[in-house]
Amino acid sequence: EIVMTQSPATLSVSPGERATLSCRASQSVSSNLAWYQQKPGQAPRLLIYGASNRATGIPARFSASGSGTEFTLTISSLQSEDFAVYYCQQYNNWPPLTFGGGTKVEIK
Amino acid sequence: QVQLQESGPGLVKPSETLSLTCTVSGYSISSGYYWGWIRQPPGKGLEWIGSFYHSGSTYYNPSLKSRVTISVDTSNNQFSLKLSSVTAADTAVYYCATRGAATLDWFDPWGQGTLVTVSS
Repeated sequence: EIVMTQSPATLSVSPGERATLSCRASQSVSSNLAWYQQKPGQAPRLLIYGASNRATGIPARFSASGSGTEFTLTISSLQSEDFAVYYCQQYNNWPPLTFGGGTKVEIK
Repeated sequence: QVQLQESGPGLVKPSETLSLTCTVSGYSISSGYYWGWIRQPPGKGLEWIGSFYHSGSTYYNPSLKSRVTISVDTSNNQFSLKLSSVTAADTAVYYCATRGAATLDWFDPWGQGTLVTVSS
């Protein structure tokens, strides 16, 4: 099983600032990585697939990069609606599909 | 536009079987796509339970495989989850989701989720 590790667990950022989230895989997942955003009481929403491709309707302030075992999600200028929990998920080796433990982006 | 909606009992007793249904609208399950279940214990992260393709291929998380069955009812455009011998550790919000394609990779869209509590 591929273990996905996200850091930090919590990120405190002021509105308008940049946020950088990390996701590490226990072995290479190539570019087979997705990112999701989850707000309280809601289902996760797909942000990124293929490590760097924005899903339909996702604002350009969300960008992502990486391949192999190291991945990054960047929110260039945090808006109020961006404060949420973010998860990465690998789909290179399955079963099982595996998710990271999440990074909570909170208001500083 | 594909939409998914979970339904089922919100409370299950320990050692019993959890049963949930996902009703799909906007697309016929029998036409294709991968469909699946994911769960999230309160305050914790996401865990993939299993997925299936309309042609019959089904994949389960090895950690749950001995207790999980996913089945499909194409006549009602629904698919179901059964998890046997539940314990308090199975308390979670259960989501159904699809990739919207004939590949098993990411999930989009998701249902709104349903909370299942395991308690006597």
